[in-house]
Amino acid sequence: AQSVTQLGSHVSVSEGALVLLRCNYSSSVPPYLFWYVQYPNQGLQLLLKYTTGATLVKGINGFEAEFKKSETSFHLTKPSAHMSDAAEYFCAVRGRYNFNKFYFGSGTKLNVKP
Amino acid sequence: EAGVTQFPSHSVIEKGQTVTLRCDPISGHDNLYWYRRVMGKEIKFLLHFVKESKQDESGMPNNRFLAERTGGTYSTLKVQPAELEDSGVYFCASSQMNTEAFFGQGTRLTVV
Repeated sequence: AQSVTQLGSHVSVSEGALVLLRCNYSSSVPPYLFWYVQYPNQGLQLLLKYTTGATLVKGINGFEAEFKKSETSFHLTKPSAHMSDAAEYFCAVRGRYNFNKFYFGSGTKLNVKP
Repeated sequence: EAGVTQFPSHSVIEKGQTVTLRCDPISGHDNLYWYRRVMGKEIKFLLHFVKESKQDESGMPNNRFLAERTGGTYSTLKVQPAELEDSGVYFCASSQMNTEAFFGQGTRLTVV
């Protein structure tokens, strides 16, 4: 069984501050982990993914995430928030063999204050 | 190249009515997925087509939902009759074999 928990449905940061969005997963098989972003009136866009190899993965727009197996976590970070980062972020897990059958978290809305 | 397109973007219907959502995948993508997000909750998998065949429909909530993909191109998701709990955002995604999926912008369905 696979599931994802995102802590905090709403996160607010000031422009220029660190962004940290939390994601913990549960998976009975080695997980593939993803972060998606949804900007207003747009579809889900892939930010970054972890499959195998290096546990620190870099994505678009300066975001990165680290896979920590011991903590079953895949937190998303960005050193300095920009106003354009305001969006909803979804963490997702999938099994190795069900290529696009994702199990998503409930999402975190990021608000960036000027 | 056009992305995944979903119609309509919004739909408001009364309980008991029928609604049909449409998804046009990226051309050449054999795989098509439907997902749903009920208000404030997680996005949940509904079903997966490979061409015109249903590969996995384990997430379909009940028999009021009917998905089709005739000819292996666009797909429709019909809800008949709609209930209040069917309100949410319905996402469609498409992909080539064993590659990442591209998502549409979603259809927001409100049942009143």
